[in-house]
Amino acid sequence: SAVISQKPSRDICQRGTSLTIQCQVDSQVTMMFWYRQQPGQSLTLIATANQGSEATYESGFVIDKFPISRPNLTFSTLTVSNMSPEDSSIYLCSVESSLGSMNTEAFFGQGTRLTVV
Amino acid sequence: DAKTTQPTSMDCAEGRAANLPCNHSTISGNEYVYWYRQIHSQGPQYIIHGLKNNETNEMASLIITEDRKSSTLILPHATLRDTAVYYCIVRVPTNAGKSTFGDGTTLTVKP
Repeated sequence: SAVISQKPSRDICQRGTSLTIQCQVDSQVTMMFWYRQQPGQSLTLIATANQGSEATYESGFVIDKFPISRPNLTFSTLTVSNMSPEDSSIYLCSVESSLGSMNTEAFFGQGTRLTVV
Repeated sequence: DAKTTQPTSMDCAEGRAANLPCNHSTISGNEYVYWYRQIHSQGPQYIIHGLKNNETNEMASLIITEDRKSSTLILPHATLRDTAVYYCIVRVPTNAGKSTFGDGTTLTVKP
């Protein structure tokens, strides 16, 4: 399994500002993902962070609001731009790792708890 | 990913077995059943997965019905630390990172 570190673990931000969340993995991984978990809700996939190319966003999420970088196979950042209280959520980094036999599994970081005031 | 149905919440006495059901009547032949759990304020944690045979690991057992339309996750001796939201996910074995999480079952283990 992969060990994933996210920074910061939590933050309180003013509306209109931006926050960049970092995700560091202890081994090279091909696939990295960013999820959002709104209060009391389940997880929703934001985007796939592609190394060497632009991220692939899910429906309802756009690059201007959630720019993502993936400079190498162990690191990615997610920026939450021009924040509003509705962006208050837990943001989670996830990586895909092989279980063998063409089977893969997802491992998650501890998440970044963001509160926008 | 096939749709899954889980009870919203369940209680279990500490030390007893916790049996968490999941219905997945539209599962396709190439889709597996995966279970995760999310302890409060942490990221989801992979527990176990299976295709059609029952599976067991150090954390839990997975029982899949013969028609594969439902499954049960069994925590044999639940502890207070097993209190969490448990997610049942049905998907193909690749592309784990793009899993679709439903609402899950909130399991509360009581002393």
